[in-house]
Amino acid sequence: AQTVTQSQPEMSVQEAETVTLSCTYDTSENNYYLFWYKQPPSRQMILVIRQEAYKQQNATENRFSVNFQKAAKSFSLKISDSQLGDTAMYFCAWGSGGSNYKLTFGKGTLLTVNP
Amino acid sequence: GAGVSQSPSNKVTEKGKDVELRCDPISGHTALYWYRQSLGQGLEFLIYFQGNSAPDKSGLPSDRFSAERTGGSVSTLTIQRTQQEDSAVYLCASSPGGAGSYEQYFGPGTRLTVT
Repeated sequence: AQTVTQSQPEMSVQEAETVTLSCTYDTSENNYYLFWYKQPPSRQMILVIRQEAYKQQNATENRFSVNFQKAAKSFSLKISDSQLGDTAMYFCAWGSGGSNYKLTFGKGTLLTVNP
Repeated sequence: GAGVSQSPSNKVTEKGKDVELRCDPISGHTALYWYRQSLGQGLEFLIYFQGNSAPDKSGLPSDRFSAERTGGSVSTLTIQRTQQEDSAVYLCASSPGGAGSYEQYFGPGTRLTVT
């Protein structure tokens, strides 16, 4: 079975600094997708960034970037120039590239950005 | 356009009562998912609908849980004879479906409290 592990239950960072959230996963599949979702106190899950496993290039979305290490099954999220609005739970998720697109989530990392 | 909506936002019920949770997906999205988020946990997959295909019910925790999707749009998750361990946030997500559409768009969730 697929598993996703986020080893950091909580993290904090000073505003404007950079922080990296860790995620590892376990799968026997070769074709899959990885996601980082953000969940602020409003409960709304927001997609931050996605990575296709077949792509070697790391995905980037403005201040958010990933370090995807396929062989190590690692998928970390780097947030640059942290902002107060980045305070949220961050979930790493894995999805099969097959016909069923259900996601397997990690337990999340609570990120607090301090002023 | 309008995002995924869920109702009610919060629901408090007594143990043993039945509850119905509603999800309105994004218009045109053929895939619909239900997840459960318990306190301090990640999201747990419950059920997946794709078009007119038979739903994937593999995540439903017991036969007290059921879901239907009428007309390929609105979905209702029903929990019969609720138990205290059913207390959680129930999240619905939709996706365009089809090849390459792996991103899921989430609703704000329904917080269910069983007393």
